[in-house]
Amino acid sequence: DTAVSQTPKYLVTQMGNDKSIKCEQNLGHDTMYWYKQDSKKFLKIMFSYNNKELIINETVPNRFSPKSPDKAHLNLHINSLELGDSAVYFCASSHSTLWGGRETQYFGPGTRLLVL
Amino acid sequence: GDSVTQMEGPVTLSEEAFLTINCTYTATGYPSLFWYVQYPGEGLQLLLKATKADDKGSNKGFEATYRKETTSFHLEKGSVQVSDSAVYFCALSAYNQGGKLIFGQGTELSVKP
Repeated sequence: DTAVSQTPKYLVTQMGNDKSIKCEQNLGHDTMYWYKQDSKKFLKIMFSYNNKELIINETVPNRFSPKSPDKAHLNLHINSLELGDSAVYFCASSHSTLWGGRETQYFGPGTRLLVL
Repeated sequence: GDSVTQMEGPVTLSEEAFLTINCTYTATGYPSLFWYVQYPGEGLQLLLKATKADDKGSNKGFEATYRKETTSFHLEKGSVQVSDSAVYFCALSAYNQGGKLIFGQGTELSVKP
C-alpha cells in the first residue's frame, strides 16, 4: 500500500522521443506536485495541481505538459526529449496548501530519466 | 526571491559523533521550514518541520529550531549512526505560494563505523 507511487522507475530513451511518467497517491490529498532533481541533487519544483487545477507552473519549457485526470493522479508528458532533460523526477502530494504552506509533502520514489 | 542555503558537503563523521548541518534562509513573511532526508536510491521523507518562530521540530533524535532573528534552521543530532548516512535537504514553504517547497542544495552525510 504505497502512499505515492510513480511509474516507470527508470526510463532510458533517445533524444527527440516523447515519454510520459505517471503518479498516483492513495493518501486522499488534494494537491500534487512534480519536482526535478538534477545531477547535483538540486531539487526544483515544476508544477503543482490542486483538485485537478494547475496552481504552479514554474517557467518549465512547454515541452513538459502535466495532466491531472483526478485528484489522485498527476501525470507528466514530455515531448521532444533533450539531453538536458536527464534527471530524476519526483512526484509529491499533500493536503491542500493553497496559501498556507505548512503541510508536509509526501514524495514518490522518483523516476530516473536518461536521454541519450 | 526566497532561497535556502545549506552548508556544503559531503560531511563525514564517525559513529556517535555530534552532527550539525547549517541552514539559513531568505524569505519575506513567515515561511514554514522543513528538513527532508533522502536515502540512496529513494525519494524524500520528511524528517522534521517547524511552522513558526521559536518552534522546535524533532524526530528520531534529530532537532532543529526555527530562529527568525538569525533566519536559521540548523539540524542537530547528538549521536549519529551509520544508518543516518543520507542526503539532507533544508526547505522552506512561504505563505501564499501554493505550497511550493524551495530547497537548499542538500548536504551529503556519511557516517563511518
